[in-house]
Amino acid sequence: DTEVTQTPKHLVMGMTNKKSLKCEQHMGHRAMYWYKQKAKKPPELMFVYSYEKLSINESVPSRFSPECPNSSLLNLHLHALQPEDSALYLCASSQGLAGNEQYFGPGTRLTVT
Amino acid sequence: EDQVTQSPEALRLQEGESSSLNCSYTVSGLRGLFWYRQDPGKGPEFLFTLYSAGEEKEKERLKATLTKKESFLHITAPKPEDSATYLCAVQGVMNRDDKIIFGKGTRLHILP
Repeated sequence: DTEVTQTPKHLVMGMTNKKSLKCEQHMGHRAMYWYKQKAKKPPELMFVYSYEKLSINESVPSRFSPECPNSSLLNLHLHALQPEDSALYLCASSQGLAGNEQYFGPGTRLTVT
Repeated sequence: EDQVTQSPEALRLQEGESSSLNCSYTVSGLRGLFWYRQDPGKGPEFLFTLYSAGEEKEKERLKATLTKKESFLHITAPKPEDSATYLCAVQGVMNRDDKIIFGKGTRLHILP
């Protein structure tokens, strides 16, 4: 099974709201990722967790706050977002960091009003 | 700096018309080259990993090949359901924190 699940599928939020995106994998993968993808662009890396520790933060604004409660779960907490943050947010996981393919979830379509 | 360039940007084919997508890369030591398929509004679906020049992998109508400078995704007798964006990504030995670098993708449209 190579499934990564994400909830919710769609999210509409105002600029003053606080919401969270959730991601789960049961493949025993030790690396998990958050990507942001705009229309007709490739995924853009935001954060990487390796063995539940934050490994990479690609200079993401502090209004995005990642959390890895355990090796199977990854959250992305959102607050005070801007309309330009509207995008498809993708979670991925891989066996490890080096030379391993990433498996992506279906994504959360986020709209900030 | 590691780079990935995919061509063409978009490709329209008739059903059954075979073709190839190109992924040119510059990397200081290849750790892995990855092909993904992405349907609109969905997450990328993993297709292949290639590690060394000369390696080939196949899945149904798709075949991926690798040289020291580029990879090809060959599509044989495509069907309309093969329409999607195909993404190539590379990971280099010298990449900071083992990041993978994505190309901009090739949008493939198969006409029935």
